[in-house]
Amino acid sequence: KAGVTQTPRYLIKTRGQQVTLSCSPISGHRSVSWYQQTPGQGLQFLFEYFSETQRNKGNFPGRFSGRQFSNSRSEMNVSTLELGDSALYLCASRAAASSYNEQFFGPGTRLTVL
Amino acid sequence: QKEVEQDPGPLSVPEGAIVSLNCTYSNSAFQYFMWYRQYSRKGPELLMYTYSSGNKEDGRFTAQVDKSSKYISLFIRDSQPSDSATYLCAMSLSNAGGTSYGKLTFGQGTILTVHP
Repeated sequence: KAGVTQTPRYLIKTRGQQVTLSCSPISGHRSVSWYQQTPGQGLQFLFEYFSETQRNKGNFPGRFSGRQFSNSRSEMNVSTLELGDSALYLCASRAAASSYNEQFFGPGTRLTVL
Repeated sequence: QKEVEQDPGPLSVPEGAIVSLNCTYSNSAFQYFMWYRQYSRKGPELLMYTYSSGNKEDGRFTAQVDKSSKYISLFIRDSQPSDSATYLCAMSLSNAGGTSYGKLTFGQGTILTVHP
């Protein structure tokens, strides 16, 4: 079974630009969560999507948004990039079908904002 | 104050040593407790999870949860150089039926190096 895939793996942008990251979950998984990982703040939850609906949102500004498509693939968008948005963005998928549902993480997209 | 606190280390031990990794938390509503391992340039991978208080053993790994003290631990016995990685504790809430939520709250991570 293929794992979670994220594209692109590396991205360099300049301040003020916007960026779209993509995540393909494990086949059959309906829930996709996004996290930001930085050396200073660690891993922080951005949002979770389930069946195309946002279920939960972390404490991030409105510049961070996401969506999920009918095939469970998800995208996240960051508008008006700031230097502090430089981070590893991780996507995780889970089946959300039983009491405990392991989250499987992708390799991440490394975003650098210059 | 962060909801989950984890000693960032780094921790350096000789091969064969017993490693103890710890996290404390402030939200008593957390029900699921997890340990993830992250190698360089990779996403985190789940090592173990426990529900509520208690111990769980899996091979060389033992996870402990003490909800009364809001304290969780991961023990690694007979540590190997291949165990060198960042270890992250994570926690989640659950609904009334015990189903875990998708939002994970992570500790800062502890960098472990096991030298031959």
